[in-house]
Amino acid sequence: DTGVSQDPRHKITKRGQNVTFRCDPISEHNRLYWYRQTLGQGPEFLTYFQNEAQLEKSRLLSDRFSAERPKGSFSTLEIQRTEQGDSAMYLCASSSLLGIREQFFGPGTRLTVL
Amino acid sequence: EDQVTQSPEALRLQEGESSSLNCSYTVSGLRGLFWYRQDPGKGPEFLFTLYSAGEEKEKERLKATLTKKESFLHITAPKPEDSATYLCAVRMNRDDKIIFGKGTRLHILP
Repeated sequence: DTGVSQDPRHKITKRGQNVTFRCDPISEHNRLYWYRQTLGQGPEFLTYFQNEAQLEKSRLLSDRFSAERPKGSFSTLEIQRTEQGDSAMYLCASSSLLGIREQFFGPGTRLTVL
Repeated sequence: EDQVTQSPEALRLQEGESSSLNCSYTVSGLRGLFWYRQDPGKGPEFLFTLYSAGEEKEKERLKATLTKKESFLHITAPKPEDSATYLCAVRMNRDDKIIFGKGTRLHILP
């Protein structure tokens, strides 16, 4: 039984560059969520998908951020024209559609923007 | 405004010294409350779900309880390996987002 996986685990980039992160959810999970976490804070919701449909985006998510889940399996999160304030841990979680829908998290991608 | 507040922010205990972490919430229509453990540089690890006031869940040295306005995570006779940040999160009836608190950083001294 494999859990949620994320790639890469770490990314260092220069301000202004584009970056893309990948998340592979638990295979039978329909829901996929993206969060951002900065030091000393809890995870902050960004967006979520049910299968390939993006159901909600946080108002905090600027136009530079875009997420896709083209075939309802893995998802990508792209940040265009990165800024130093984008430095954070980007977390992916997945859940089933049954019951209370507990979310299970991946290991995260640590982004550092220089 | 929906809010989740955890206290204390940080807690240092001697090995074997029991204590409790608090999570208070002000949300409209609670669907479920979750506790997670997070080690440095890793994603949160699911611990418990609580659905209704009066419910309790246990796992090893941890016990989570829920009232109408708050939840407690009791840790009994902790060991150094229990050192981590413990996150509380709530899900409301109206959607599938969960709102996290800032967490309690727990450090158990040997």
